[in-house]
Amino acid sequence: DADVTQTPRNRITKTGKRIMLECSQTKGHDRMYWYRQDPGLGLRLIYYSFDVKDINKGEISDGYSVSRQAQAKFSLSLESAIPNQTALYFCATSAGTGYLNTEAFFGQGTRLTVV
Amino acid sequence: QQPVQSPQAVILREGEDAVINCSSSKALYSVHWYRQKHGEAPVFLMILLKGGEQKGHEKISASFNEKKQQSSLYLTASQLSYSGTYFCGTGFYGSSNTGKLIFGQGTTLQVKP
Repeated sequence: DADVTQTPRNRITKTGKRIMLECSQTKGHDRMYWYRQDPGLGLRLIYYSFDVKDINKGEISDGYSVSRQAQAKFSLSLESAIPNQTALYFCATSAGTGYLNTEAFFGQGTRLTVV
Repeated sequence: QQPVQSPQAVILREGEDAVINCSSSKALYSVHWYRQKHGEAPVFLMILLKGGEQKGHEKISASFNEKKQQSSLYLTASQLSYSGTYFCGTGFYGSSNTGKLIFGQGTTLQVKP
């Protein structure tokens, strides 16, 4: 089994619908991240979390919300999906303290299409 | 805050060398390098933490100049398996940046036979 698992792997949804992307990990890491990948723009940070009570906005959090249900689970929600949220979404985990992040482990990605 | 990578794309023949650069406008605490194959997740290559530090991974090495806020990834004697998109990931100083990992826009490397 993968260390970082994302569900679903692919999703097509309609504009205005609410959608949740889920991420679970077996690495035992405290730090979890959501990124979106768009061609030419790289990986952009949406939200990150250090534990269930510590959630932080990333560079492009508008239009997204997250929930850290447990150390191992971190969900990303699009409250009202719009077409420009069509992208490949990655969840990642990392250990570390303070400024230091150790190796980040990525899930397989969720390809989201908003029509 | 997103670091800038250069070049955006490079095409090599097997056995040739390449350098990928990562530059930040903010003071860097750490630099990560990752490689992503088409249709797959990014995979970790190495972390650099100190100014001037160099590390190696097979025929791939990297340097980190903390003063210049830059890192470079060196691929020597490239192999077909090196093809993919390379990302630098940066960690910054400052309480508001604790734990953040910000990636560059990526450099696509294609190695041809």
